[in-house]
Amino acid sequence: GDSVTQMEGPVTLSEEAFLTINCTYTATGYPSLFWYVQYPGEGLQLLLKATKADDKGSNKGFEATYRKETTSFHLEKGSVQVSDSAVYFCALTSPAAGNKLTFGGGTRVLVKP
Amino acid sequence: DVKVTQSSRYLVKRTGEKVFLECVQDMDHENMFWYRQDPGLGLRLIYFSYDVKMKEKGDIPEGYSVSREKKERFSLILESASTNQTSMYLCASRGTSGRTDEQYFGPGTRLTVT
Repeated sequence: GDSVTQMEGPVTLSEEAFLTINCTYTATGYPSLFWYVQYPGEGLQLLLKATKADDKGSNKGFEATYRKETTSFHLEKGSVQVSDSAVYFCALTSPAAGNKLTFGGGTRVLVKP
Repeated sequence: DVKVTQSSRYLVKRTGEKVFLECVQDMDHENMFWYRQDPGLGLRLIYFSYDVKMKEKGDIPEGYSVSREKKERFSLILESASTNQTSMYLCASRGTSGRTDEQYFGPGTRLTVT
């Protein structure tokens, strides 16, 4: 079945550092890929998405590119802020799985001033 | 503004108790979901409902049941709580016209079973 693997955290960074969170996936067919973010004490919010190969999703300074050849969707941000401290989840949905969301294990990011 | 609310943020129950977790959405969404969130495992789908009185099992339905008597409300029931059901429970909703990604999540209920 479908699966998502993302790097384990916690990832601790200083403000203005570069952030990368790796995400790879296994899916049948052509999945859509997502990054969700969970700020402390809140539910999940959709951060960005990409629906086909080579698409780049972007939002709030974060970017991720759908790489079919490496089955990856790594999340990047060039200069993080303390307010980016959160848990980030990579996820996918595929028609073969009835379009249900499959999540990775989550990566906790802590940005220090 | 879109809103999904859950009845409790924190809940402590004893082994063997019957537990009800309530979720309400105000967006007139057809689809509602219950997930549990555990460290390192991400979110796993317990049950979902695509209409009133309709339900489908997710990936880990064992030990749980659900109820959807009204469109805006989706309840998760633990018939006899066990310690391995200690977890964070997240509810989500989605409209039929929306893509799967447009799920709106509640803040979660952290359940501890002692």
